[in-house]
Amino acid sequence: NAGVTQTPKFQVLKTGQSMTLQCAQDMNHNSMYWYRQDPGMGLRLIYYSASEGTTDKGEVPNGYNVSRLNKREFSLRLESAAPSQTSVYFCASSLRPGGQGATETQYFGPGTRLLVL
Amino acid sequence: LAKTTQPISMDSYEGQEVNITCSHNNIATNDYITWYQQFPSQGPRFIIQGYKTKVTNEVASLFIPADRKSSTLSLPRVSLSDTAVYYCLVGGYSSASKIIFGSGTRLSIRP
Repeated sequence: NAGVTQTPKFQVLKTGQSMTLQCAQDMNHNSMYWYRQDPGMGLRLIYYSASEGTTDKGEVPNGYNVSRLNKREFSLRLESAAPSQTSVYFCASSLRPGGQGATETQYFGPGTRLLVL
Repeated sequence: LAKTTQPISMDSYEGQEVNITCSHNNIATNDYITWYQQFPSQGPRFIIQGYKTKVTNEVASLFIPADRKSSTLSLPRVSLSDTAVYYCLVGGYSSASKIIFGSGTRLSIRP
């Protein structure tokens, strides 16, 4: 049982380039989340998926798109990367549908470190 | 939306009990209080959750007074491996867009 996995672990982009961050969970969870964490800061919610086939904006969605490909996978896409998007990105999942991450235990992946030059 | 306030940092020594307090003055009736632990270069890990009074598990205890405007995470007999950032999260069964982690408390344990 791998839990939540993320790829890649580390990526360097030039301004304007695009990329997709991948996330998968094998716990049969219904809700999935994408966060970003800037140095010395807490986590900020970018997007979440309350169930397969649905996605909703979080606190800081601008500059990102997401896809809930199936129940297991939730990807985050940067269409035109900017230096302000340099951060560590965490994917998480929780059991019940509805995106109730404030009341449910969230399980986090190891993170993707992204540097945009 | 319940905002939380925690100390930015705390220091302690191995074997001591550590108490980290979180203030959440405008907590709503259906809000729960959840604590996460984050080690460097890792994602956060769930520690404990409670609604009122006291909750204890194998890792920590959570004390919540009757007015629920604050909560205290208690770590008994800490070790060097407890050095981490601890986040207090307050929220209820509402939209996930209201998940707020805050800046957390950086706990440093010394030998």
